[in-house]
Amino acid sequence: DAKTTQPPSMDCAEGRAANLPCNHSTISGNEYVYWYRQIHSQGPQYIIHGLKNNETNEMASLIITEDRKSSTLILPHATLRDTAVYYCIGRSNFNKFYFGSGTKLNVKP
Amino acid sequence: EAQVTQNPRYLITVTGKKLTVTCSQNMNHEYMSWYRQDPGLGLRQIYYSMNVEVTDKGDVPEGYKVSRKEKRNFPLILESPSPNQTSLYFCASSMRGSSYNEQFFGPGTRLTVL
Repeated sequence: DAKTTQPPSMDCAEGRAANLPCNHSTISGNEYVYWYRQIHSQGPQYIIHGLKNNETNEMASLIITEDRKSSTLILPHATLRDTAVYYCIGRSNFNKFYFGSGTKLNVKP
Repeated sequence: EAQVTQNPRYLITVTGKKLTVTCSQNMNHEYMSWYRQDPGLGLRQIYYSMNVEVTDKGDVPEGYKVSRKEKRNFPLILESPSPNQTSLYFCASSMRGSSYNEQFFGPGTRLTVL
């Protein structure tokens, strides 16, 4: 199974970059890495995904190691509204998803 | 507005009383899924559906049933709810494809089984 491991919590100062790591050592060669976030108890929100190249969109950047065993989500200028639980998603096969427990990011003023 | 809706949003019930949580999406998505979320356990997939009349088990299907008679709807059925099914439930949908699968989540249903 493509399960993921993330630190349970991290702190970040407002305006600084937040770097959230994820270990996905069992991911297979054709499986994408996805990141979602959940604010309070709302439905999770998609952030970004990638296969093996680094990706960037208006929300974040995703850096995937060359061996694809880990990745880092980067929020370049964290704001208080980025305080949330961030999930790095693995898939055990194309149709099933494993969210894990995520990382609680606390952005502090 | 593109969205996934769930009803009810909150429900308190008693053990053994059958209930259904509805889920509907207006994005013509093929893929739909149900998750439950419990403290310290993140989201765990209950059931998913690749298309109409096609459903399959996720990681925690015991005690739940689903049906997919129409593309837009994917109800979650608890035939005989028990207290260990007290949880926050999310429905999600996405386009089907080999690489693109941004899932859109509903607002959640908080279920308490007494």
